[in-house]
Amino acid sequence: SQKIEQNSEALNIQEGKTATLTCNYTNYSPAYLQWYRQDPGRGPVFLLLIRENEKEKRKERLKVTFDTTLKQSLFHITASQPADSATYLCALLNTGGFKTIFGAGTRLFVKA
Amino acid sequence: SAVISQKPSRDICQRGTSLTIQCQVDSQVTMMFWYRQQPGQSLTLIATANQGSEATYESGFVIDKFPISRPNLTFSTLTVSNMSPEDSSIYLCSVDVAGGGGELFFGEGSRLTVL
Repeated sequence: SQKIEQNSEALNIQEGKTATLTCNYTNYSPAYLQWYRQDPGRGPVFLLLIRENEKEKRKERLKVTFDTTLKQSLFHITASQPADSATYLCALLNTGGFKTIFGAGTRLFVKA
Repeated sequence: SAVISQKPSRDICQRGTSLTIQCQVDSQVTMMFWYRQQPGQSLTLIATANQGSEATYESGFVIDKFPISRPNLTFSTLTVSNMSPEDSSIYLCSVDVAGGGGELFFGEGSRLTVL
């Protein structure tokens, strides 16, 4: 069956450190892999998209890697800040498809 | 980008009633999606609503329970019919402005509580 797995346990890190979140998938052939941020009571906000033929994408303090062999994406936030505390969702758009499917998300807490 | 307004933002409903959620987009978009997010869970796709065609529902969701209208390129409604407490969720409207480009924009959601 198809699965998108993110660490269900919350990630607690100290301000200034790098947060690394993991997304693993099975039985998908994603054309795109995306990361979204969701704050409590709000809709998800798009952060980054990486295509199947890309290995890495950066945007300011954010970095995403995509390994289609391992079927895994890593999402990094460098120099983390308390304001980065949120739930981060991994999402896939399958090749030839138009529906985006979401993982369960990982809650990140950054302590000052 | 796109700015999406949803109404109502929240409501408390009685079992057996129906509620219609409205989604207004500030630009014309072809692809619109309705998601449900149950407490503590991730987003589950209910249906895809493209203008000019019938909505396409995902497994586990049926038109009689979640009728959708898409009268034009900037507006859609989702009705939750004959509600039960299990329908208590956040319902989210989203759009793909690039028409398959991947990036989704979301409304703030409609939080429904069914008593």
